[in-house]
Amino acid sequence: GQQVMQIPQYQHVQEGEDFTTYCNSSTTLSNIQWYKQRPGGHPVFLIQLVKSGEVKKQKRLTFQFGEAKKNSSLHITATQTTDVGTYFCAGPQETSGSRLTFGEGTQLTVNP
Amino acid sequence: DARVTQTPRDKVTEMGQEVTMRCQPILGHNTVFWYRQTMMQGLELLAYFRNRAPLDDSGMPKDRFSAEMPDATLATLKIQPSEPRDSAVYFCASVRQGVGTEAFFGQGTRLTVV
Repeated sequence: GQQVMQIPQYQHVQEGEDFTTYCNSSTTLSNIQWYKQRPGGHPVFLIQLVKSGEVKKQKRLTFQFGEAKKNSSLHITATQTTDVGTYFCAGPQETSGSRLTFGEGTQLTVNP
Repeated sequence: DARVTQTPRDKVTEMGQEVTMRCQPILGHNTVFWYRQTMMQGLELLAYFRNRAPLDDSGMPKDRFSAEMPDATLATLKIQPSEPRDSAVYFCASVRQGVGTEAFFGQGTRLTVV
């Protein structure tokens, strides 16, 4: 079955440093979604990428979708303490449509 | 403010007892997912429904878990009998297929089986 892998599993940074998490799927994805889960909270949708090679920005966050639609990355510039949480990528298989499989997540801690 | 509602928020039960978790998806959303989250396994897909029909429950232990959607406003996840290894946070998420694929998550049910 489809597998979605994320690295790193944990990342500790000093406030102001950059952060990147990478997502790889074993199968082609129709789209890739990114979610953020604050400690003790529930996953909240951040963004969806659909097109091969697509790049989207949300303030300090930059999201990329690979040319082959099997990998993606999230980059945060100049992290802040409010960025703390676990970042998940998720994608439906291109062949199945709606089955949404999540990566293991990258847990980000930011030291002030 | 539309949201997915899950009950109960917390549940502590003894091993062997039946546990039922409920989810009210956002009105108009036709796809419902059940996920289990533990420290070790991340977000594990247990089952999902489209228009109340089960599409995939391959992630669910069949001998003790069951998932149903008796109507469009209610999804249930039942564990009978519960075991300590079932302790986790169970999330329900709903999607309005055809408009987008963004999943809206409920607050989760934190289950502790002692």
